[in-house]
Amino acid sequence: GENVEQHPSTLSVQEGDSAVIKCTYSDSASNYFPWYKQELGKRPQLIIDIRSNVGEKKDQRIAVTLNKTAKHFSLHITETQPEDSAVYFCAAYADSSYKLIFGSGTRLLVRP
Amino acid sequence: SQTIHQWPATLVQPVGSPLSLECTVEGTSNPNLYWYRQAAGRGLQLLFYSVGIGQISSEVPQNLSASRPQDRQFILSSKKLLLSDSGFYLCAWCPQPPGIDYGYTFGSGTRLTVV
Repeated sequence: GENVEQHPSTLSVQEGDSAVIKCTYSDSASNYFPWYKQELGKRPQLIIDIRSNVGEKKDQRIAVTLNKTAKHFSLHITETQPEDSAVYFCAAYADSSYKLIFGSGTRLLVRP
Repeated sequence: SQTIHQWPATLVQPVGSPLSLECTVEGTSNPNLYWYRQAAGRGLQLLFYSVGIGQISSEVPQNLSASRPQDRQFILSSKKLLLSDSGFYLCAWCPQPPGIDYGYTFGSGTRLTVV
């Protein structure tokens, strides 16, 4: 079945440094790749997404890249701030299956 | 604008008791609807999804069931809860196809504790 692998499971960076989270997906029909941020006890919130016809997308300090050939996509956060600390989930969606499959999550800690 | 409502926010139920969680979406028609479960400190597991009234697809065989009696209403049920059913239950919706302006959006979640 469909699978999304996410690495690392935990990531600790110094404030101001960059953070990179990587995901791979198995379903070649996947064409939509969102990233979610989840703070403790709250619902996941969509922070950025990319469709398969685009290789890179940027929104202020966050960016997502997609390599369809390798089935890899990554989240990049620059100039990290303590409020970026949260759990981040990648996901992959295929229009043909209607399902959004999530990675296992990355716990990001930004040290002041 | 589209909104998604999920209730109750928290629930404590004894083992063997029934369960009914409800989710409704406003401001859109014919949404895709989803139920996810998140165990403490873990990822999001897809339980059920629906692309139309009465159409339910199950991802994980277990003692839970789902129903979609109306276009914008999605219900998660159980006849007899198990301890392992404890977790954070999230409803979500998206149009077809999804995008940042339209979803995939989660409800506020129900924290279920089975005792």
